[in-house]
This record gives sequence, C-alpha cells and structure tokens, in this order.
Amino acid sequence: DIQMTQSPSTLSASVGDRVTITCRASQSISTWLAWFQHKPGKAPKLLIFDASNLESGVPSRFSGSGSGTEFTLTISNLQPDDFATYFCQQYNFHSLSFGGGTKVEIK
Amino acid sequence: EVLLLESGGGLVQPGGSLRLSCAASGFAFSSHSMTWVRQAPGKGMEWVSIISTSGDSAFYADSVKGRFTISRDNSKNTLFLQANSLRVDDSAVYYCVRGGVVVPGGNDYYFYFMDVWGRGTSVTVSS
Repeated sequence: DIQMTQSPSTLSASVGDRVTITCRASQSISTWLAWFQHKPGKAPKLLIFDASNLESGVPSRFSGSGSGTEFTLTISNLQPDDFATYFCQQYNFHSLSFGGGTKVEIK
Repeated sequence: EVLLLESGGGLVQPGGSLRLSCAASGFAFSSHSMTWVRQAPGKGMEWVSIISTSGDSAFYADSVKGRFTISRDNSKNTLFLQANSLRVDDSAVYYCVRGGVVVPGGNDYYFYFMDVWGRGTSVTVSS
C-alpha cells in the first residue's frame, strides 16, 4: 500500500499569511492526488484534484502542485474561513489512501 | 444542491452489527460510484468500502473484509453499509462519499478521487 505522510500536523498562522502543506507518497503516484478541507461537524470539501486542478467554486487563493512523490497545497492570503484541517488523498490505480491531516490554527 | 445524509450510527457492543444508510439527493445517484470512509478519534481518514455505479463491483479495505458489506439501491438513491462482527477499533465517524472508483468493464478498475462528502454518522463499539 502507498503511505501518505503529511506535514506539518499542526500549523499556526495569521490572516493574510501564505501557508504551505506537504504530502509525501511512499512511491510515485504521478499526479493522482486530491486535497480536502474539513471543519468540525461539517462535510469535508474537495479543493484540488489531479494535484493541481482547482475544484469549481473553490477560491483561487488555494493552489496545488507537485508530481511523483511530493505535493504541496498552498493557501495564499489566509482568510478567517480557512482555519480548518486539510488532508490529502492519493488514488493511484489500484491504491487509495489518505494523509494524516494538517490543522491550520489561528496564531 | 448535492447532498449526502448518513444515518444508522450509534452505540453497539463488540461483536454486534449495524446498518448504515446514506440518502443521496441533487444528482444522478446511479451514475456515480460511492464510497464509505471512516475517521477514528484522533486518526486520519481511512477508506472502508467502495461500490461501482451498478453495484456489481465492490471493494473493501483489508481491515473490514469479510465483516462489512456495501450495497446500493439506485431506485431509492441510497447507499448502505452492513457492518457485522464489530470491534472496538471500528469506532469512528463514517462518511458517505461520492466517487471513488471507475470500472471500465470486466474485471478492470481504478480508484479515483471523491468529490462530495456527507457530514458523517458516529459509530461507537464498546461494552
């Protein structure tokens, strides 16, 4: 199975900051990676698919990059609504797994 | 609006059973594969089971294989998860999620991303 290692596990930031979250795959997954935002008690929300494609309706301050084994989610100009947990999901052919999550907290 | 509403969670003793349901609305349910994903307290997400659009193909995580059964009723836009022989480590919030697998035909398949999630239903396995 492909393991996804996400870092950091917690991140403290301020409104207006640029934030970067990383997911590393234990083997190459091409660009088969999605990013989600999750707030307590709410349904997780798809942000990015295929590593860099922005889901419809997601603000352009969210962006994804990477291929192979290293991927990043960047939030530019962090907004109050962005404080949440973010997690990645790989879907490489017959393999599917999630990263452990990154909680973005208010500094 | 696309909505997924889970139900059926609760407290059950080890060895017991539960049947989770997910009512889908706002989209063509029969055109989408569906997935159950769970999150145990303090842990990351874990996919549990995935079912193809027709229901002919089902996939299970090793942790639940032989104990859980996924099914769907496309006439009622509803997804199910029958969970038997429940263990303490099955305790989690269970999410119904749209997407997860593409089955081009025959025995061929590939996993895919999931795009719409429900809010989840909590399952606690404890004596």
